[in-house]
Amino acid sequence: AQSVTQLDSHVSVSEGTPVLLRCNYSSSYSPSLFWYVQHPNKGLQLLLKYTSAATLVKGINGFEAEFKKSETSFHLTKPSAHMSDAAEYFCVVSDPPSGTYKYIFGTGTRLKVLA
Amino acid sequence: NAGVTQTPKFQVLKTGQSMTLQCAQDMNHEYMSWYRQDPGMGLRLIHYSVGAGITDQGEVPNGYNVSRSTTEDFPLRLLSAAPSQTSVYFCASSPGLWTGYTFGSGTRLTVV
Repeated sequence: AQSVTQLDSHVSVSEGTPVLLRCNYSSSYSPSLFWYVQHPNKGLQLLLKYTSAATLVKGINGFEAEFKKSETSFHLTKPSAHMSDAAEYFCVVSDPPSGTYKYIFGTGTRLKVLA
Repeated sequence: NAGVTQTPKFQVLKTGQSMTLQCAQDMNHEYMSWYRQDPGMGLRLIHYSVGAGITDQGEVPNGYNVSRSTTEDFPLRLLSAAPSQTSVYFCASSPGLWTGYTFGSGTRLTVV
C-alpha cells in the first residue's frame, strides 16, 4: 500500500535562509508525487509534481523538489525563504495507475518564517 | 475564471440533520473528489468521481453520499450529521489522473 510521511510537523526558518521540508514515501510502483501549499483559511494550491520525467522538479514561487528513488524521498526546497512562504505544506503520493484515482496526503508541515 | 466553487463556506448543523455541500467547476474536468481535513491528519478522501455518472468510495465514505449527474457538479450529502463529521471539507477537480488537483476554498462544518 502507498503511504507518505512528512518528517517534520513544524519547521521554522529565518527570512532569506534556505527551506527544506522532508517527505518520504512508500510505493510498490513508480509513484507520482506532488507538493501542495495551503495558506491560512485557504484551499490547497499545487506547487509542483513529479510524474516519472526529470527527477529534479521545479515549481512555482522558487520551490523545487528532487525525486530520489533509492532513498524513497521527495524533499521540497527553496534557496531563500520569504515571509509569504509561511503556510502548511503537504506531500502527496498517488496510487499506482490502476484507475482507482486515489491520492494519499501526508499530515502536513507548517512552515514559519521569522523576520 | 471561477475554478472550483464550494458553497456554503461555513455551516453549523445539529446532530441528526442532513445537508448538501455544493461543488461546481467550470474547467470541464473529468475527475472530481471530496476530502475532509482534520488537524494532524492531512486530507482524507471521502468519495471521488472519474466522470459524469461514475462515483466510488474513498477511505472515509461512511455517512456521506455523492452523485455526479453532470461534469460540472459534484455535491456531497451528509445523511444524518454527527459531531465526528465536524471538519473542513474540500472539493477538488483535475483533467487527468496524474495532473494534480485544483481545490476549492473549502466548507467549514460544525456539528453540535
